[in-house]
Amino acid sequence: EIVLTQSPGTLSLSPGERATLSCRASQTVSNNHLAWYQQKPGQAPSLLIFAASSRATGIPDRFSGSGSGTDFTLTISRLEPEDSAVYYCQQYVRSRWTFGQGTRVEIK
Amino acid sequence: EEQLVGSGGGLVQPGGSLRLSCAASGFNFSRFEMNWVRQAPGKGLEWVSYVSRGGDTKYYADSVKARFTISRDNAKNSLYLEMNSLRVEDTAVYYCVRDRAYPDVWGQGTSVTVSS
Repeated sequence: EIVLTQSPGTLSLSPGERATLSCRASQTVSNNHLAWYQQKPGQAPSLLIFAASSRATGIPDRFSGSGSGTDFTLTISRLEPEDSAVYYCQQYVRSRWTFGQGTRVEIK
Repeated sequence: EEQLVGSGGGLVQPGGSLRLSCAASGFNFSRFEMNWVRQAPGKGLEWVSYVSRGGDTKYYADSVKARFTISRDNAKNSLYLEMNSLRVEDTAVYYCVRDRAYPDVWGQGTSVTVSS
């Protein structure tokens, strides 16, 4: 099983600032089969990024994904108040998915 | 609009059973593999089970193996999760999720509470 570790646990930033979220895998995530999700309270997760760096339909370009192998990053270039949420990374190398524990982004 | 609507959740005693359903609309259900993912209160996401397009291949998380059964009815555009021998730790919101290799469409979630 591929274990995903996200850091930091919580990020507290002001609007307009840049957020950098990390996701580290316990083994290589082949073919960059890594996705990022945003989850707001009381809602289902929503896909942001797939294949490590491809934005899902309708996702603003201030969200970007990068990385390969075992180290991946989600960057929110200019935070907006509506970006307050928990962000999860997820690997889909095999049909048994695993998720990171999440990073909470708080907007000051 | 591509949509998944879950139902069937509720309150059940430990050792009891429950059957979750998920109705798909707006897309060709039979062309997609499907999964269940759950989220315990205040916790992260946990993959539960997978079923192939035709329903012949199924996978389960170790935590639910031999207790939960995933199935689908492509004629009814529906996904199911039969949950037996429920435990307190199965308390969670259960999401049905479309599998496009990655989870791209999520249902709204149905809540299961296991408590005496």
